[in-house]
Amino acid sequence: DTGVSQDPRHKITKRGQNVTFRCDPISEHNRLYWYRQTLGQGPEFLTYFQNEAQLEKSRLLSDRFSAERPKGSFSTLEIQRTEQGDSAMYLCASSEGEYDGYTFGSGTRLTVV
Amino acid sequence: SQQGEEDPQALSIQEGENATMNCSYKTSINNLQWYRQNSGRGLVHLILIRSNEREKHSGRLRVTLDTSKKSSSLLITASRAADTASYFCATGKETSGSRLTFGEGTQLTVNP
Repeated sequence: DTGVSQDPRHKITKRGQNVTFRCDPISEHNRLYWYRQTLGQGPEFLTYFQNEAQLEKSRLLSDRFSAERPKGSFSTLEIQRTEQGDSAMYLCASSEGEYDGYTFGSGTRLTVV
Repeated sequence: SQQGEEDPQALSIQEGENATMNCSYKTSINNLQWYRQNSGRGLVHLILIRSNEREKHSGRLRVTLDTSKKSSSLLITASRAADTASYFCATGKETSGSRLTFGEGTQLTVNP
């Protein structure tokens, strides 16, 4: 296990298109998180899974965003009808327990043109 | 809105000097963590301090937590050029499980 993997690293899409990102967490970690980060800002929480259950979703997340974690392993984040304001770095992280630090992936940089 | 606010926003020092970054937060927490981010990369976990702890050390890092003032500080001693990065504090609230809320970060530049 080499850490948290995210795919793709970069995605350029036209406004209105749908995009899907994948995250493979560390296999022993049952908690998985999605964050969004724009330039010069800290990561902003999007959603959180414990095993396959989505326990929390940010109120900032519109209904164009959906995330899944089937079987409690990898996770996908889909953005429908992308807008220019969705351009950001999408970060995935995993952790083992409540008092464990997060291990982050390298992120997927989304550019909506 | 962000829970944590880092101070200063940017810090520039010479190699060998110590760097101190501060973080203030607004609501009760059960733990506070510090992360480092190199440009364009993911974040790396540095250290976690629980709400019942006051100080913690890890190598050249020293973190303090004052829950009465709702503040924390990160001290990096004998800084190196490789310490150049953005540093973020993140807080875990009692009611939010393990979800962390990040501040906006301090950009540290260590000049060789």
